[in-house]
Formats: sequence, C-alpha cells, structure tokens
Amino acid sequence: DTEVTQTPKHLVMGMTNKKSLKCEQHMGHRAMYWYKQKAKKPPELMFVYSYEKLSINESVPSRFSPECPNSSLLNLHLHALQPEDSALYLCASSPLDRGIPEQYFGPGTRLTVT
Amino acid sequence: GENVEQHPSTLSVQEGDSAVIKCTYSDSASNYFPWYKQELGKGPQLIIDIRSNVGEKKDQRIAVTLNKTAKHFSLHITETQPEDSAVYFCAASFNSGYSTLTFGKGTMLLVSP
Repeated sequence: DTEVTQTPKHLVMGMTNKKSLKCEQHMGHRAMYWYKQKAKKPPELMFVYSYEKLSINESVPSRFSPECPNSSLLNLHLHALQPEDSALYLCASSPLDRGIPEQYFGPGTRLTVT
Repeated sequence: GENVEQHPSTLSVQEGDSAVIKCTYSDSASNYFPWYKQELGKGPQLIIDIRSNVGEKKDQRIAVTLNKTAKHFSLHITETQPEDSAVYFCAASFNSGYSTLTFGKGTMLLVSP
C-alpha cells in the first residue's frame, strides 16, 4: 500500500481565517514533505520533515506553519494568506533509506483564498 | 543547484503509437530519476524510476533510459491508450536519505482514439 491521504480535498478561506491541512501515511515512512503546485506548473517543495524534525524550509513565508505531531501525520497551518497562495497543496512521504528513494504523493488539497 | 529541462511541453499521438519524453539534468551528483503521471485533479503518481547505476528499466508498456555521460533520461510509452493522457513530470535528485526532487516543467500527453 502506497497511500498518502490528505484532508480536506477542497478549502476556501478568507485572508483573515486560520485553517489547517492534514496529511497521513501508514507506510512507516520517516520523511514527509509539503509541496505547492500552481496550475500547469510542477510541484514546488516547501518543507521536509525527517524523523519528525523540520529538515528543510524553502524560505516559505511564516503565514505557512508546518507541524509533524508524529511519524504518520503532517499538518500545514495557514494564517493570513494572500490570494496568490491559492494552489494545490500536496503532501508526500518517503522512507529515510538511501536504498529506497521513492516518494509518494497524496491527492492534494485545492486551496482557494478569497 | 540542480536544473531539469523537459521536452516537449505538449505531445499529441494517436492511440497505439509510441510516445517519448526527454529530460536533461545539470548536476552530475544526481543519482535518482523518477517519472510521475498527474491526471487532472489528482496528485502525481510515481510510474517508474531509475537509479544512476542502471541504464534502462522497463515495466510493461513504459520504459526509462538513462545516459549519465550526456546527463539525459527519457520516458518511452509504447502502444499508447487514451487513459495514458495526462501531464508527465520527470525529476532528478541526489538521494541522501530523504530526496529533494527537482522537477521538469512537465509534458502534457494527449492520446487520441
């Protein structure tokens, strides 16, 4: 099973709202990722967690706040977003193993900021 | 950092034809090259990958080839079907545990019946 689940599927929020995106995997992967994807573009890496610790932050604005409460869960807390933050937000996971680099993506959350 | 170029940006073929998508990378340290298929409204799906110690890999109708000297790799789909229509992304990374993928810009493949 290579399933990564994400909730919600769709989210509409105002610029003053606070919301959270959730991601879950039960493959025993110890690396988890957040990506942002705009229409007709490739995914752009935002954050990488390894062993529940933040390893990479690709200079993402502080209005995006990641959290990894345990090895199966990854959250992305959103606050005071801008309309240009509207995008598909993808979660991914991979084993922390040099011999197994495969990265699996979830279906994404379609975010619209009004 | 790594830079991945992908061509063509769009590709239209007739059902049953073959399709080839090509990518080049810049960082000779990259050692892992996956291909993802993304259908409309869905997340990217890993369809095949290749590591730098292998020149070719095949899985049913899809195959990937890697030329490390020239720093390019290609996806080959034979006997295309309408359900192959999607956006395909190549990527490159140096796998040091977790892998930070650098993606190409994508190829929209349209297979006409």
